[in-house]
Amino acid sequence: EDQVTQSPEALRLQEGESSSLNCSYTVSGLRGLFWYRQDPGKGPEFLFTLYSAGEEKEKERLKATLTKKESFLHITAPKPEDSATYLCAVQPQKGSASKIIFGSGTRLSIRP
Amino acid sequence: DAGVTQSPTHLIKTRGQQVTLRCSPKSGHDTVSWYQQALGQGPQFIFQYYEEEERQRGNFPDRFSGHQFPNYSSELNVNALLLGDSALYLCASTSRGALPYNEQFFGPGTRLTVL
Repeated sequence: EDQVTQSPEALRLQEGESSSLNCSYTVSGLRGLFWYRQDPGKGPEFLFTLYSAGEEKEKERLKATLTKKESFLHITAPKPEDSATYLCAVQPQKGSASKIIFGSGTRLSIRP
Repeated sequence: DAGVTQSPTHLIKTRGQQVTLRCSPKSGHDTVSWYQQALGQGPQFIFQYYEEEERQRGNFPDRFSGHQFPNYSSELNVNALLLGDSALYLCASTSRGALPYNEQFFGPGTRLTVL
């Protein structure tokens, strides 16, 4: 069964303290892996798409990497405005391209 | 360029009632997916509409149904509401031409509370 597991569930950091969020996945072939940011009561905001192992993408203080079994979202010198829930999702190769499977997310809190 | 819009923002219903949620996709998008997000969980795929037909469905009962109109907007209908249907309902849109790596853009969601 296709599955996405994110860890940790919650992470509290001091401003400027770098860290990484983990997304491990089990799918029958990977069409794409997505990272989203979600603020409370809002819809997810698209951040990155990764397609193959070894790929990396960056945006401001965020960098996403991908291996054959997991993806990491690295946050460098975070600021309080980076506080949000970060969601990882995968699109399996098999079956319709319409189905995307989400993890439960990591709630990130950055203290000033 | 307007993004994905949803209405209403919030909705309160009682058990057994029926509800209709609405979504307008991002300009240029023709495919709409609906997700249910319970508190503290990731979104769960309900179904997707393209060319006014349901193309793919997740593990949701027939109480959940939908419709897509010629202008690509969509409705989600839920009949015989249960307490467990309380959630944030998200609409996401994409362009079929962007397949196979379709990046979906989400609306702000409709918060449904069932009492």
